[in-house]
Amino acid sequence: NAGVTQTPKFQVLKTGQSMTLQCAQDMNHEYMSWYRQDPGMGLRLIHYSVGAGITDQGEVPNGYNVSRSTTEDFPLRLLSAAPSQTSVYFCASSYHRPGLPTPLHFGNGTRLTVT
Amino acid sequence: KNEVEQSPQNLTAQEGEFITINCSYSVGISALHWLQQHPGGGIVSLFMLSSGKKKHGRLIATINIQEKHSSLHITASHPRDSAVYICAVDSGGGADGLTFGKGTHLIIQP
Repeated sequence: NAGVTQTPKFQVLKTGQSMTLQCAQDMNHEYMSWYRQDPGMGLRLIHYSVGAGITDQGEVPNGYNVSRSTTEDFPLRLLSAAPSQTSVYFCASSYHRPGLPTPLHFGNGTRLTVT
Repeated sequence: KNEVEQSPQNLTAQEGEFITINCSYSVGISALHWLQQHPGGGIVSLFMLSSGKKKHGRLIATINIQEKHSSLHITASHPRDSAVYICAVDSGGGADGLTFGKGTHLIIQP
């Protein structure tokens, strides 16, 4: 199993450019989510999905779009990048067992700089 | 929303020392996760626990549900243990129910 695979590892964008961060998992997990990690703050949830065709907003969704057309893939789109989106982005996945917590699996992160 | 506090924020110790990192939270939870992040690296899950104590190698995690407190211990610490350790509490059994602490930056000097 490859686990959770994120690409790219690094990216530099100019303000206003768009890009897609890719995330794929091969563990047949229902839950997938995107977080951003900023200095001095805990991980913050951007968007999440409980299964193909279902997505929902997290704590900091503005400026980001997601879709979940398959169980395996959960891309994160920045439509018009802003310097405030400079951050490290993590994708995570887990099983969905209502009422029962399950272990978390994270990707290796994408370090994004917006100039 | 659950408030998660980790202490200390930063910790530097000598190789071989016994390390303790603490995590406190404000609202009852279904589980608590301990995560490890090496510099420039991804995040790895170390433990998920709902009660009692778990051990994996030199790492031990404990949780006291009544006191809303968990500790992560490292015995015989080694420079390769240098990393950020993150506590996350699960209030709802899903990604939207997770609240993360700010992390403890641990450096083990040889």
